Amino acid sequence: SAVISQKPSRDICQRGTSLTIQCQVDSQVTMMFWYRQQPGQSLTLIATANQGSEATYESGFVIDKFPISRPNLTFSTLTVSNMSPEDSSIYLCSVVFSAGESYEQYFGPGTRLTVT
Amino acid sequence: EDQVTQSPEALRLQEGESSSLNCSYTVSGLRGLFWYRQDPGKGPEFLFTLYSAGEEKEKERLKATLTKKESFLHITAPKPEDSATYLCAVPANSGYALNFGKGTSLLVTP
Repeated sequence: SAVISQKPSRDICQRGTSLTIQCQVDSQVTMMFWYRQQPGQSLTLIATANQGSEATYESGFVIDKFPISRPNLTFSTLTVSNMSPEDSSIYLCSVVFSAGESYEQYFGPGTRLTVT
Repeated sequence: EDQVTQSPEALRLQEGESSSLNCSYTVSGLRGLFWYRQDPGKGPEFLFTLYSAGEEKEKERLKATLTKKESFLHITAPKPEDSATYLCAVPANSGYALNFGKGTSLLVTP
């Protein structure tokens, strides 16, 4: 497993501003993902954070709105740009540990974002 | 399209009253079925991964089982601290990211 931390743990932001969320892992991992969990909903994948190349975004999510950086194998950031109240969610990073055909995916504690 | 459906949406149990949560899935070539526990305001906590029909895994009062169409999370003699939302998920497409069900919200009362 891994120890995953996220900063900030929560924030309240004004409409039109941007927030950058950090995800730090205590060991090197190849695969890292960003998810969103809207109020009362389950998790939805935003993108795969690729080390050394551009992130891979899921349908409905675009780089201009959710730019992602992955400078090394232990760190990533997700920026929520030009925020609106609809962006109020919990944002979660996750990492994968694999061994042969088996793998486990662990999540950070989440960043609770409220946009007013 | 791969889908994950969980039932019931919510479940209320008395302490000690055993029950099961269901996760049915439609995927082409299952590469794993994942169970998580999520407490309010926190990230999901990994519980189990199951890979093949007939496989079972246990952790304290929880036991997960897998068939070719569904998985069950059996909770034996639950305690109030087992109250949480339980999520199941399967890998999306050919990658490692996960498609999640909507979860079962479990409340165990004393």
